[in-house]
Amino acid sequence: GQNIDQPTEMTATEGAIVQINCTYQTSGFNGLFWYQQHAGEAPTFLSYNVLDGLEEKGRFSSFLSRSKGYSYLLLKELQMKDSASYLCAVKRSGNNRKLIWGLGTSLAVNP
Amino acid sequence: EPEVTQTPSHQVTQMGQEVILRCVPISNHLYFYWYRQILGQKVEFLVSFYNNEISEKSEIFDDQFSVERPDGSNFTLKIRSTKLEDSAMYFCASRGGQGDNSPLHFGNGTRLTVT
Repeated sequence: GQNIDQPTEMTATEGAIVQINCTYQTSGFNGLFWYQQHAGEAPTFLSYNVLDGLEEKGRFSSFLSRSKGYSYLLLKELQMKDSASYLCAVKRSGNNRKLIWGLGTSLAVNP
Repeated sequence: EPEVTQTPSHQVTQMGQEVILRCVPISNHLYFYWYRQILGQKVEFLVSFYNNEISEKSEIFDDQFSVERPDGSNFTLKIRSTKLEDSAMYFCASRGGQGDNSPLHFGNGTRLTVT
């Protein structure tokens, strides 16, 4: 079956670093996306990984290990506005390429 | 920056009625999608549309649902005979054709409430 696991909730302090993990088991793999979703709003694209390794983009970085079926999103210098849900989504390979979404990790950043 | 727009932002309808949710994807995008998100649950894929036809649909997307691209800009989702469990946020998304890694751009969603 298709399965994506993320922690349900995390809490961190403003200015700190937080790592949000995602493990996946899917039939075929053709890339992993991270999206940010503020309550009541649409998901917005953060990052895309298809090769193993770390992709850095400002305060946000995303890591992928295809052999382990594992990714993480690293958020540095946390700000209050980073309080949101972070969604991991996997694109499968082959003819069936729709994204498989995780439930999301709700991150609360406290002062 | 171009964006996906959806109307209405909120829709309240009675059980059994039909609703049409409207979307205007980003103008140079080629792939269009509808997703839904029931409150507190994960984002669920409904359907993808490319080259004026459905390219993929989920098991949720049964005969109750249909999509249409009536002109060069609009992309609609019709839900017939609505049920209470259809209450959700419905997101339209589009992406360009620059390969599989082009990200989805989501609209702000239509909150559908079926009473």
